[in-house]
Amino acid sequence: GQNIDQPTEMTATEGAIVQINCTYQTSGFNGLFWYQQHAGEAPTFLSYNVLDGLEEKGRFSSFLSRSKGYSYLLLKELQMKDSASYLCAATDSNYQLIWGAGTKLIIKP
Amino acid sequence: GAVVSQHPSRVICKSGTSVKIECRSLDFQATTMFWYRQFPKKSLMLMATSNEGSKATYEQGVEKDKFLINHASLTLSTLTVTSAHPEDSSFYICSARIGTSNYGYTFGSGTRLTVV
Repeated sequence: GQNIDQPTEMTATEGAIVQINCTYQTSGFNGLFWYQQHAGEAPTFLSYNVLDGLEEKGRFSSFLSRSKGYSYLLLKELQMKDSASYLCAATDSNYQLIWGAGTKLIIKP
Repeated sequence: GAVVSQHPSRVICKSGTSVKIECRSLDFQATTMFWYRQFPKKSLMLMATSNEGSKATYEQGVEKDKFLINHASLTLSTLTVTSAHPEDSSFYICSARIGTSNYGYTFGSGTRLTVV
């Protein structure tokens, strides 16, 4: 079956760095997305990886290893507004999005 | 660019009534629209995929007669929750693929449905 695993909840301190991991098993693979979702709002796009390696975009970076079925989202210089859920989603051979359950990130002062 | 406008943002209805949720692509043509529901602290659950001018494809376990999806034009898709019950209370979100690339999916702002 198809499956996405990511931690349920993480806590970090303002100004610090946090890494949110995601492992996936899909029928075929056509890329992996990270989305941010604040409570009561729709997800917003953060990153997309289809090739191995690190993609850096400001304070956020995303890494992919296709051979390991593994990705992570790295958030630097954490701000209180980064408190949100972070959703990992992989696309399968039919380009259908397979969603993880999301990681709730709590930022403490 | 690539904005999907979803309305209403919140709706409260009585049991047994029907509710229509609209999603409009404002500056692009949404050939394919995805409809999700999300329970509190849970991830997105795909309900159905609709393609303009054809019948929607429903995921296993989703009642097509209860959740009516219409995608009559390239800029409008609707989800109607018929004969709503309290267990239908949820957060409903639409999403459109931007063009034919796999790169972009844009989301509507979501609809919080409460059935009383």
